[in-house]
Amino acid sequence: KQEVTQIPAALSVPEGENLVLNCSFTDSAIYNLQWFRQDPGKGLTSLLLIQSSQREQTSGRLNASLDKSSGRSTLYIAASQPGDSATYLCAVRQGAQKLVFGQGTRLTINP
Amino acid sequence: EPEVTQTPSHQVTQMGQEVILRCVPISNHLYFYWYRQILGQKVEFLVSFYNNEISEKSEIFDDQFSVERPDGSNFTLKIRSTKLEDSAMYFCASSAVVSRTDTQYFGPGTRLTVL
Repeated sequence: KQEVTQIPAALSVPEGENLVLNCSFTDSAIYNLQWFRQDPGKGLTSLLLIQSSQREQTSGRLNASLDKSSGRSTLYIAASQPGDSATYLCAVRQGAQKLVFGQGTRLTINP
Repeated sequence: EPEVTQTPSHQVTQMGQEVILRCVPISNHLYFYWYRQILGQKVEFLVSFYNNEISEKSEIFDDQFSVERPDGSNFTLKIRSTKLEDSAMYFCASSAVVSRTDTQYFGPGTRLTVL
């Protein structure tokens, strides 16, 4: 059974810092991996999707990497801003359709 | 930009009552999903739906749950006899295709509170 783990559970950094969020998964047979952002009481916003054959994907200040063989992904956020404060979830596509989620990293950017 | 919408945003019900949660997926999408998130826990997959049939479901999705696409735009989740432990945020999602490149787009969620 696929298990997805995110470390750390919470992270607080000053504005302007670069930071890395980690995601690990136990079964490397995945279709793709998605990173989401969740604001309190709100839905999930897709940030980046990495196909299983890709090593990284970039969108603006965000860069996600994937090492499928070791079961790891990282989300790199450059020049963090207070508006980046949210919970970040990673999810792997397991089998045909379902996403298996990690528990998230709650990120706080301090002005 | 097209988005998934869900109604209501918050539903309060008494234990044992039936509830229907509604979703309008993105218009050209063919695959539909329900997930739930119990407070403080992970987002969990419930069911996926394609071509008017359930294509995959989790062990959570028992006989108390059902899904339907009653018309060309709505996708519903029905819980027949709610339990206290059904209290959660329920998310609808949709995707255009099922492939290594497709993204699932999520709605804002319906918070279900069972008293």
